[in-house]
Order: sequence, then C-alpha cells, then structure tokens
Amino acid sequence: AQSVTQPDIHITVSEGASLELRCNYSYGATPYLFWYVQSPGQGLQLLLKYFSGDTLVQGIKGFEAEFKRSQSSFNLRKPSVHWSDAAEYFCAVASSSNTGKLIFGQGTTLQVKP
Amino acid sequence: SAVISQKPSRDICQRGTSLTIQCQVDSQVTMMFWYRQQPGQSLTLIATANQGSEATYESGFVIDKFPISRPNLTFSTLTVSNMSPEDSSIYLCSVALASQETQYFGPGTRLLVL
Repeated sequence: AQSVTQPDIHITVSEGASLELRCNYSYGATPYLFWYVQSPGQGLQLLLKYFSGDTLVQGIKGFEAEFKRSQSSFNLRKPSVHWSDAAEYFCAVASSSNTGKLIFGQGTTLQVKP
Repeated sequence: SAVISQKPSRDICQRGTSLTIQCQVDSQVTMMFWYRQQPGQSLTLIATANQGSEATYESGFVIDKFPISRPNLTFSTLTVSNMSPEDSSIYLCSVALASQETQYFGPGTRLLVL
C-alpha cells in the first residue's frame, strides 16, 4: 500500500539557519510528489511538486526539494529560514489508481527561533 | 491555479445537528475532493465529488454521514450529518484539473461540535 512518512513531528531551527524536512514514500511506480504548507488557521498552500524530469525542483518562498528514487525520499530544503516560515509542512503522494487521491504524511511542525 | 472559497469558514454546532459546507471554485475543474483534518492530525480524504453522479467515498466514510452534492463543475457541498464531538475537525475541499494534476485547497471550514 502507498504511504508517506515524515519522520520528524516537530523541528525547531534558528532564524537564518538552513532547514531540511524529511519525507519518505512507499510507491510502486514513479510517484507524483508534493509539499504543502499550512500556516496557523489557514488552508494548504502548494510549495512545489515533482512529476518527472529534473530531480531537483524549485518552489515558492525559496524552498526546493530533491527526489531520490534510490532512497524513496523527497526532502524539502531551504538555505535560510525566516520567522514567517513557522508552519505545518505536509508531504503528499498522488495515488497510483488515477483517482486523484492524495496520501499525506503526518506533517512536520516547524518552529523558528529568533 | 484556482481560487477556492468555502462557507462557512468556521462554526460551532450542537451534537445531533447537521452542517452543510459549500465549496466554490472560480473556474471549471474536473475533480473536486473533500478532506478532513482532525485536531493535530494530517489530512484524510473523505470522498471524491463527482459531477452528475454519486460521490466516491473512501473506506470509513459513508454517504449517510457525509452526503455530498456536485451540481456543476464549479460547486460542491459536503454535509456533516448527526454531528458528534468526534466530528470536530477542519474540512477542506480541493480541486484539480485532472486526476494526476496538482490539487489546490480551499481555506477550510473549522467545525467545533459541542
């Protein structure tokens, strides 16, 4: 069965420090992968996506993610975190059954220290 | 991307009552989905709203509890019926142009059942 694992439930980084949020997936074919961010009291905003091609994808707000098939990973990175990046981050994979269903990881809460 | 609105944005309801949530998109979309996000949890797909036919429900969700309508390509409703405190969640609709395309999310409806 398809699944998404975000090993880190909560991460705290200092403002200006680099960030990496981990995401591992279980999927039988080439996955469609997404990172979404949810700020407090808000809906989900798409940060970036991977469908095919270049394994390093650039997103909004200075985020990037790298697809590594050998490691079944799609980790999200940012070189310098801003206080406004404090939020909940969700990794998701699209279902293989062509139904459009997204399977979400449990999410990682990012706290930014001044 | 699509602009999605949801009504109401939040509500407090008494147990045993029902609430209908509306989702409106600014353009015609092929696919519309309804997700539930329980407190402190990730998102779980409730159902796919099919235009002109019955919704497709995920395991653990039934039509009697979560009736869904989709009268056209820009609008859908989700009703949470005979509510209990366990139904307290954020309910989000999402849309996609096709089954393997990016999903965009509405701002969510925050429901508290007393």
